Amino acid sequence: GEDVEQSLFLSVREGDSSVINCTYTDSSSTYLYWYKQEPGAGLQLLTYIFSNMDMKQDQRLTVLLNKKDKHLSLRIADTQTGDSAIYFCAPTFGNEKLTFGTGTRLTIIP
Amino acid sequence: DARVTQTPRHKVTEMGQEVTMRCQPILGHNTVFWYRQTMMQGLELLAYFRNRAPLDDSGMPKDRFSAEMPDATLATLKIQPSEPRDSAVYFCASGLDGVRELFFGSGTQLSVL
Repeated sequence: GEDVEQSLFLSVREGDSSVINCTYTDSSSTYLYWYKQEPGAGLQLLTYIFSNMDMKQDQRLTVLLNKKDKHLSLRIADTQTGDSAIYFCAPTFGNEKLTFGTGTRLTIIP
Repeated sequence: DARVTQTPRHKVTEMGQEVTMRCQPILGHNTVFWYRQTMMQGLELLAYFRNRAPLDDSGMPKDRFSAEMPDATLATLKIQPSEPRDSAVYFCASGLDGVRELFFGSGTQLSVL
């Protein structure tokens, strides 16, 4: 099965950029998702990238994909207090089953 | 605004009791997933359905867990008998034809004493 690894914690000063990293093992992953989980809530889809892309930008979010190294990252520009949450990467093959990473808890320092 | 509804939000029960968790997927969604979240194991897929048919429940302990979709608007997850190690947050998620954009409910926080 797919193994997906993330750092457990990240602390960033308000206004700085946050970079959350993810490594995975299944090179056949076609869609790679980022989900956000706020306290006491379910997961919410943030963005995704298709495997034939290297980069995708969506407002403050930038996703980078290095297929050779099986490395995915999510950059959040101008990090705000509302960005405090747990971020999960989830590669998938085709359209069936998501395998979630361990999640990275992002803490914003005022 | 469309959302996945899970009930109850919180459940405290004693070991050995039956627990039933319910999920109302977004109207029109034909794919439903059950996930369990714990600190130790993270998010684990328990079961998923497409068009009410179970496609994969390999993540579920078969001896005590069961998942069903009595109709397109209701998915249930039952644990009988419950054990303390079942304490977790159980999430339901729905989507249209797969995982392209999943919508999660707010979860049922289960504590088995």
